[in-house]
Order: sequence, then structure tokens, then C-alpha cells
Amino acid sequence: DVKVTQSSRYLVKRTGEKVFLECVQDMDHENMFWYRQDPGLGLRLIYFSYDVKMKEKGDIPEGYSVSREKKERFSLILESASTNQTSMYLCASSLSSEQYFGPGTRLTVT
Amino acid sequence: AQSVAQPEDQVNVAEGNPLTVKCTYSVSGNPYLFWYVQYPNRGLQFLLKYITGDNLVKGSYGFEAEFNKSQTSFHLKKPSALVSDSALYFCAVRVARGYSTLTFGKGTMLLVSP
Repeated sequence: DVKVTQSSRYLVKRTGEKVFLECVQDMDHENMFWYRQDPGLGLRLIYFSYDVKMKEKGDIPEGYSVSREKKERFSLILESASTNQTSMYLCASSLSSEQYFGPGTRLTVT
Repeated sequence: AQSVAQPEDQVNVAEGNPLTVKCTYSVSGNPYLFWYVQYPNRGLQFLLKYITGDNLVKGSYGFEAEFNKSQTSFHLKKPSALVSDSALYFCAVRVARGYSTLTFGKGTMLLVSP
């Protein structure tokens, strides 16, 4: 079974803090993704990566950056957290078609 | 551009009755279509996909979906609903060439009453 893990299930940070969300997959997948999920808006793609050190902007990249130094690990960085970044963050990985998701990190910025 | 519409925010069904969760899509070219389910405070779980071939696709937990190209729809169905099927369901689409990202619908909450 594919396993995608995220470093935290729940996280509370203060406005202006730098926040790191980590994602690790164990299936040697080429592609990894970060989404945020908000009620009524579904999933929106923040960034994705199709190879080590490669990254592409998704639909809502503003206020975020990413890092992929190793194939199995994809990090999402909030450079200066703001209250409008309070959300559920989901990481996913894929080899070809379907994506496999981690359990999510519920981030609250106060 | 590609898009997905899930016209119902919520679907209510009694246990034992058939259920349908609707999805329509728009994509330039042939589509790859997916259904995912999300239980409370969990990530998304893959249910089934349409890539090519038979228009009726069978997936996990007794779910199936029918691809209808003329109506650009991919409705999720189950003959007999269970209370444990209550969850949030997402439809997703991508174009079937090269590599492209998935576009998700906004989700439909399915509530199955005992």
C-alpha cells in the first residue's frame, strides 16, 4: 500500500511565523502535490513537483513556497503565516494517474 | 482549462436505498475521471477511476461510476447505501494526454440515515 505521511495532524502558529509542513511518501513516486481544502471551495492546488528540485505553481501559490530536495519528501513553507492561511493542508503523491493522499494537517494561524 | 461541477452540496439517502452523487466535467480532449472519499478529519481515499474502455467502472466498497461522454458526466452510484458510506465525496478530472494536474469539484456530503 502507498503511504503518504504528514508531519503534524494539528498545528497552531502565530501571525508572521515561518511555518514548515512536511510530507513523505514511501512508493518512489515522481509526482507530489500540496493542496489546501476549505469548506465550500473543495481542494485547490498550491504547488506540485514532478521531480527532485523541480516545482511548479498551482492555482494559489501566493504566500507559499516549496522544497523538494529528495524524491520522497516535499515540504510546504509559509514564509510569513497569515490568518487567511488557516486551512486543512493535504499532501499527495502519484506515479501516473490517481493520486494518494496523506491524512492532512489542520493549520490554525492566530 | 478543465473544470468539475458537483451540483449538490449534500445528498440524503436512507440505508438500503440506491444512491447517486452527481458529477459533470469540462476538459479539452479525452478525460481521466476520478472519485475520492473523505471521512471526517482524514485525507482523501481513492475510490475509482475512468481511463478508457468500459463506461461502467467498479471501485472500492461497492461503488461504481458511469462515464457518459455525450453528457460529460461521471456520476457515482451504489445499489444499496450503508450508514458507513456517510462522508464527503469528490470528483476530479484531468486531460488524458501528457501530464496534467487534477481539478477537483467542491465536494458532495453524503448522509445515509439508518
